[in-house]
Amino acid sequence: DTEVTQTPKHLVMGMTNKKSLKCEQHMGHRAMYWYKQKAKKPPELMFVYSYEKLSINESVPSRFSPECPNSSLLNLHLHALQPEDSALYLCASSHPRVKQGAQSNYGYTFGSGTRLTVV
Amino acid sequence: KQEVTQIPAALSVPEGENLVLNCSFTDSAIYNLQWFRQDPGKGLTSLLLIQSSQREQTSGRLNASLDKSSGRSTLYIAASQPGDSATYLCAVRRELKRGSTLGRLYFGRGTQLTVWP
Repeated sequence: DTEVTQTPKHLVMGMTNKKSLKCEQHMGHRAMYWYKQKAKKPPELMFVYSYEKLSINESVPSRFSPECPNSSLLNLHLHALQPEDSALYLCASSHPRVKQGAQSNYGYTFGSGTRLTVV
Repeated sequence: KQEVTQIPAALSVPEGENLVLNCSFTDSAIYNLQWFRQDPGKGLTSLLLIQSSQREQTSGRLNASLDKSSGRSTLYIAASQPGDSATYLCAVRRELKRGSTLGRLYFGRGTQLTVWP
């Protein structure tokens, strides 16, 4: 299995709702990431988990709450979002560490994303 | 801080042309460079991964080169087809923090490619 699976593909939520985005991979990757992408912009890093521990929070507002229950799953809990949070949310995974000059595949694998609309 | 620039921002060509997309980065201390394709509203599909010790990688009609010392990579697309129409993103991986081998990706803003029949 060489895929990252994200659910749901589309989500519309009100500003008072609570929802969760889910991400799953079975490639044995021990680093998982959440990215946010606005139209015609590159993905922006939100969170990094390494070995199920939060390594990086890129100053993301607390209305976004990540969770990594195990090495294959990554969730993003959403609460009291604003319309400007509408975006494509991408999950990715990779090996957490690289060896210089190694021939192994240390690339990133991205999911197909969740298109989130906040109304 | 790592800055990644992609030129051109947009490209529109007739079917059959050979194309070159350019990517440059400011800090040569990278682990690898990855080219992605993104269709509108979709996720990123990895096209080619070049390790820092490699000079190029090939997959079908795609060839990517890496000159780490000059901070440049090119993606060559041979005999372009309408199905190649998409946004192409270049990303370099380097350490998350100084002294760490945990990596993060730095993206360019992409080249939007349109291939018309």
